[in-house]
Amino acid sequence: EVQLVGSGGDLIQPGGSLRLSCAASGFAFGDYWMHWVRQVPGKGLVWVARIDDTGIIANYSDSVKGRFTISRDNAKNTLYLQMNSLRAEDTALYYCVRSERGSFDFWAQGTLVTVSS
Amino acid sequence: EIVLTQSPATLSLSPGERATLSCRASQSLFRSLAWYQQKPGQPPRLLIHEVSKRATGIPARFSGSGSGTDFTLTISSLEPEDFAIYYCQQRSNWPFGYTFGQGTKLEIK
Repeated sequence: EVQLVGSGGDLIQPGGSLRLSCAASGFAFGDYWMHWVRQVPGKGLVWVARIDDTGIIANYSDSVKGRFTISRDNAKNTLYLQMNSLRAEDTALYYCVRSERGSFDFWAQGTLVTVSS
Repeated sequence: EIVLTQSPATLSLSPGERATLSCRASQSLFRSLAWYQQKPGQPPRLLIHEVSKRATGIPARFSGSGSGTDFTLTISSLEPEDFAIYYCQQRSNWPFGYTFGQGTKLEIK
């Protein structure tokens, strides 16, 4: 069974840093591109970042470029999102997501990041 | 960035009725259009990928269609568990990005 378990969400002050993790199991993690998608509670979905299966190619939305870094450890079946210079507008539920053929086929439960003083 | 506009924002129907949800793109898409269902407190679930292909385990009452800039999700006969929020999503290489529509809330009439 495919499982994605996100963790690391917390209450953090503006300007602070946080690292999210996502543990994958039940599938060949190293064969898939992985993403982070966020959602302000009660609002819509916003794509944040993606990383290719090897961990070499990464892309970001304009709103997080230069502040967030997506990475992965295929030996540990784990995806990461390093979040620096956090802003109030980064407050959201962050989903770790697997993709195939341009769509998002498995989603973690989400981990909540709250940026507030 | 390609913008996806979903309509209506809210759709009020009864179980057994047919639901038709629309997603319009700001420029033509090359079959990279997906639909998701989200229920309160849960992550989205993939229903349809590549415009019309049902994801694993998705009932046959869900179908997707369309081309170019206009796409439709149809639920042929609503079950009680189908009342939720539905999002469309696209991936494009130029301009690069993944975008979601703002969602359609399907509520019980």
